[in-house]
Amino acid sequence: GAGVSQSPSNKVTEKGKDVELRCDPISGHTALYWYRQSLGQGLEFLIYFQGNSAPDKSGLPSDRFSAERTGGSVSTLTIQRTQQEDSAVYLCASSLSSSTDTQYFGPGTRLTVL
Amino acid sequence: GENVEQHPSTLSVQEGDSAVIKCTYSDSASNYFPWYKQELGKGPQLIIDIRSNVGEKKDQRIAVTLNKTAKHFSLHITETQPEDSAVYFCAASRINTDKLIFGTGTRLQVFP
Repeated sequence: GAGVSQSPSNKVTEKGKDVELRCDPISGHTALYWYRQSLGQGLEFLIYFQGNSAPDKSGLPSDRFSAERTGGSVSTLTIQRTQQEDSAVYLCASSLSSSTDTQYFGPGTRLTVL
Repeated sequence: GENVEQHPSTLSVQEGDSAVIKCTYSDSASNYFPWYKQELGKGPQLIIDIRSNVGEKKDQRIAVTLNKTAKHFSLHITETQPEDSAVYFCAASRINTDKLIFGTGTRLQVFP
């Protein structure tokens, strides 16, 4: 079946502009996660959605970052007034119901802020 | 806060040799430990996981061991092949919390 998809695969933007990154999780998965992976680094947790519960936003690095998940499916990560340090690969993952279920990752969106 | 340390950061082995990657975690309540493999340009993919009620799990050439007392767990790859070359990440979480804490990754290179 279809895996997690993300779009765009690459995004180049100018400093100060806003960007939106999209994630389509696996159908039927109630849990959705966003991570950030800087060059040569590990995965940094950003935000977690589980069903209709309030999202866990504890990993968002600043108030320029926000995310929403409409209808319990597609999620959008928005970065406002982008900075050069926001350049990274943004990965989305989904799981059946919790982090102890296997998390399936998408291919990521590579964001470059000039 | 919760922390997972991973060593080594890079590892080079000859084809056919074994590779071992080690991780330690700080949260004693952690009880789920997955390992992910990430190939260039792709998202991480789960290769094996272990829960705290067992000390070892094996799947063909891959095995993971867990020492809860010492708070460390290890990935063992035997009879390495060039296609094993990738970045490997360990992670830890507690059941009923919904966040995986990842290690910083190990770049494994298997030379033919």
